[in-house]
Amino acid sequence: GQQLNQSPQSMFIQEGEDVSMNCTSSSIFNTWLWYKQDPGEGPVLLIALYKAGELTSNGRLTAQFGITRKDSFLNISASIPSDVGIYFCAGQWDGGSQGNLIFGKGTKLSVKP
Amino acid sequence: DGGITQSPKYLFRKEGQNVTLSCEQNLNHDAMYWYRQDPGQGLRLIYYSQIVNDFQKGDIAEGYSVSREKKESFPLTVTSAQKNPTAFYLCASSTRGSYNSPLHFGNGTRLTVT
Repeated sequence: GQQLNQSPQSMFIQEGEDVSMNCTSSSIFNTWLWYKQDPGEGPVLLIALYKAGELTSNGRLTAQFGITRKDSFLNISASIPSDVGIYFCAGQWDGGSQGNLIFGKGTKLSVKP
Repeated sequence: DGGITQSPKYLFRKEGQNVTLSCEQNLNHDAMYWYRQDPGQGLRLIYYSQIVNDFQKGDIAEGYSVSREKKESFPLTVTSAQKNPTAFYLCASSTRGSYNSPLHFGNGTRLTVT
């Protein structure tokens, strides 16, 4: 079946640092989505990508749809404390049905002690 | 304000009891979904419904049941047949059949079964 490999699994950030995470798969996707989840809440959509090679920004966040359609990355520039949380990628195949959506296991962002 | 409401936020049940989790949306979305989230895991699809009175099994439907009698509501019943029911349950909705209509999530229900 479809599988997404999201990395890193966790990372520690210091305020002001840039952050990078990615998702890869052996399968081709038509859509890549990036969500952020705060503790005890539902995921919130950050960026949606619909076209291979597409590069999209949302404030300090930038995400790209890999040219092979098998990967995507998310960058956060100049991180701030409220960036802490879990980031999920999701890939969708076959268009149409939202049943054809799979999530990565998440990247947990924490603040360096 | 449009959104998805899940209730209750926390739910405690004894083993062997069925329990129903509520999900209501006022976004006028056709499609609704239930996901299960376990620590360190991604979201896994339990059931989804693209239209009233119709629903499909997801990847982990065993031990769960749903109904979709109204467009706004998609309750999930966790039955006693579910072997490991303690988890965080997330409901979501989207415009039906549109690949560029991402999921909108509720704030989840944390179910603990002892």
